[in-house]
Amino acid sequence: GQQLNQSPQSMFIQEGEDVSMNCTSSSIFNTWLWYKQDPGEGPVLLIALYKAGELTSNGRLTAQFGITRKDSFLNISASIPSDVGIYFCAGLYAGGTSYGKLTFGQGTILTVHP
Amino acid sequence: KAGVTQTPRYLIKTRGQQVTLSCSPISGHRSVSWYQQTPGQGLQFLFEYFSETQRNKGNFPGRFSGRQFSNSRSEMNVSTLELGDSALYLCASRVGTGTYEQYFGPGTRLTVT
Repeated sequence: GQQLNQSPQSMFIQEGEDVSMNCTSSSIFNTWLWYKQDPGEGPVLLIALYKAGELTSNGRLTAQFGITRKDSFLNISASIPSDVGIYFCAGLYAGGTSYGKLTFGQGTILTVHP
Repeated sequence: KAGVTQTPRYLIKTRGQQVTLSCSPISGHRSVSWYQQTPGQGLQFLFEYFSETQRNKGNFPGRFSGRQFSNSRSEMNVSTLELGDSALYLCASRVGTGTYEQYFGPGTRLTVT
């Protein structure tokens, strides 16, 4: 089945630093989604990507859909304490019988030191 | 618009019992997907419903089932609970056609003792 490898597994950074994380897949996706999850809550959608090579921003967040369609990247600039949480990538292949099935990465735990 | 709501938020059940979880999607969304989240396996897809029909199912045993009503609300049922079913169960909704952005509810934390 499809596998998503997300790295790094965890990051400890100082407030104000930039953050980068990525996901790679063994299969092609035609949609990439990035989520943030706080403890005890459901994931919150941050950015959606639909085209290979697409670069999309949402405030201090920037995500890219890799041109091979097998990877995606998320960057957070000038981190602040409220960026703390778990970040997940999710891929979807919208073809055949996949419909709404998202495949998730293992998550990146982000800790920001003030 | 109100977000995805899930009830109850917390449940404690005994092994062998069954449980029903409920999900109300965002108004206008016709697709509902269910996921199981555990520390060991992460987020795993259970199934997706659209217009009262199950369109896709993940690799879970038949003890896990679901349904969707005409108002798009969805329920999932787990019968003969096992200790390993302890997890956060998440429901996500999307419009259903044309876009694939899924919006998650807060989840139901199920503990099986």
